[in-house]
Amino acid sequence: DIVMTQSPDSLAVSLGERATINCRSSQSVLQSSNNRHYLAWYQQIPGQPPKLLIYWASTRESGVPDRFSGSGSGTDFTLTISSLQAEDVAVYYCHQYYSTPWTFGQGTKVEIK
Amino acid sequence: QVQLQESGPGLVKPSETLSLTCTVSGGSINTYHWTWIRQPPGKGLEWIGYIYNGVITNYNPSLKSRATISVDTSENQFSLKLSSVTAADTAVYYCAGGSGACYECFHHWGQGTLVTVSS
Repeated sequence: DIVMTQSPDSLAVSLGERATINCRSSQSVLQSSNNRHYLAWYQQIPGQPPKLLIYWASTRESGVPDRFSGSGSGTDFTLTISSLQAEDVAVYYCHQYYSTPWTFGQGTKVEIK
Repeated sequence: QVQLQESGPGLVKPSETLSLTCTVSGGSINTYHWTWIRQPPGKGLEWIGYIYNGVITNYNPSLKSRATISVDTSENQFSLKLSSVTAADTAVYYCAGGSGACYECFHHWGQGTLVTVSS
């Protein structure tokens, strides 16, 4: 199984400041045949189902604000919220769909400082 | 717009079979991956398995062959059966689906349904 490890487990950021969440996979999630990283990011607001933010490591889902961006390659990936808003308080998960069993990171809780 | 809705009993006795259905509206059940994911209270997400093209299934080995996912194309639904449940299977169960942009991603989610395993 590919193990997904996120850091930090939680972080507190002031409104308008940048939030950065890291995700490391235990093996590469790059499919060489199409040069795509099989890595997604989800946001889960308390009491709600997760919501897809980013897929293919850096493609923003339709309707997701452009303050959310994904980057990285190989085994190291980052989700950045460029200017934290109150509605961004949530738990964020990375997810690999490169090989089954598909696996998630343990989650990173983002709060307002 | 694709919408998903889970339905099924909220309480299941230990050793019995958990059965849930996900009704899909606004999209065809015969395309993309249709997936079940669960989340124990206060914990993270666990992928259970998917069905693809109505017949191809793949399950998380951690469930030790207890899970079965099937499709009812006439009702545009897909279902999960999880046998021999224990308290460890208590969780919010979500159904989710992909789209043309990324078949394996979870673009669409149901609201989730809490299933408690208890006698």
